[in-house]
Amino acid sequence: SAVISQKPSRDICQRGTSLTIQCQVDSQVTMMFWYRQQPGQSLTLIATANQGSEATYESGFVIDKFPISRPNLTFSTLTVSNMSPEDSSIYLCSVVGTGETYEQYFGPGTRLTVT
Amino acid sequence: AQSVSQHNHHVILSEAASLELGCNYSYGGTVNLFWYVQYPGQHLQLLLKYFSGDPLVKGIKGFEAEFIKSKFSFNLRKPSVQWSDTAEYFCAVLPSGSARQLTFGSGTQLTVLP
Repeated sequence: SAVISQKPSRDICQRGTSLTIQCQVDSQVTMMFWYRQQPGQSLTLIATANQGSEATYESGFVIDKFPISRPNLTFSTLTVSNMSPEDSSIYLCSVVGTGETYEQYFGPGTRLTVT
Repeated sequence: AQSVSQHNHHVILSEAASLELGCNYSYGGTVNLFWYVQYPGQHLQLLLKYFSGDPLVKGIKGFEAEFIKSKFSFNLRKPSVQWSDTAEYFCAVLPSGSARQLTFGSGTQLTVLP
């Protein structure tokens, strides 16, 4: 299994500002993802965070809005840029554990409210 | 692209009632299937998973799910629910050989009345 922590756990931000969310894993993992869970909705994949190269974004998400860094196999950041109220969501980091096929583990999430 | 449908958005049951939550997926190839649970204020946890073999899968806390390939379904069941089962339940699909990006259903909120 993998234990994932995220910082901050929640934040309230003003429109037009940016917030960087950190994801730390207790072991080295190959696959790391960022998801968004909007109020009352399911999880939507934002991007795959690739170590040492640019993230792979899903349709509807762009690097300018959600820049991602992954400097090593245990850490990643997601920035929500130029925020608007529509960005109010829970943002989750997820990893695929080493030695186990297909099982994904999720972090506790960062609850973001944009006013 | 694959998709997942959970038809029940909110289910309300009394304790000891039996539970069945529907999950259907659309994808033509081989898939791996999952049920995740999110208890109030907690993060997503894996309930059970199907990779291959016996289509009846048993998970934690007395939950089980049956994969019916002909119906593209993976329904979650529990014979007798408890108040502590109150949570949101998500079905997810992962096509075999994909880059491990799960596609989630919209979720079902289960409320169990004491």
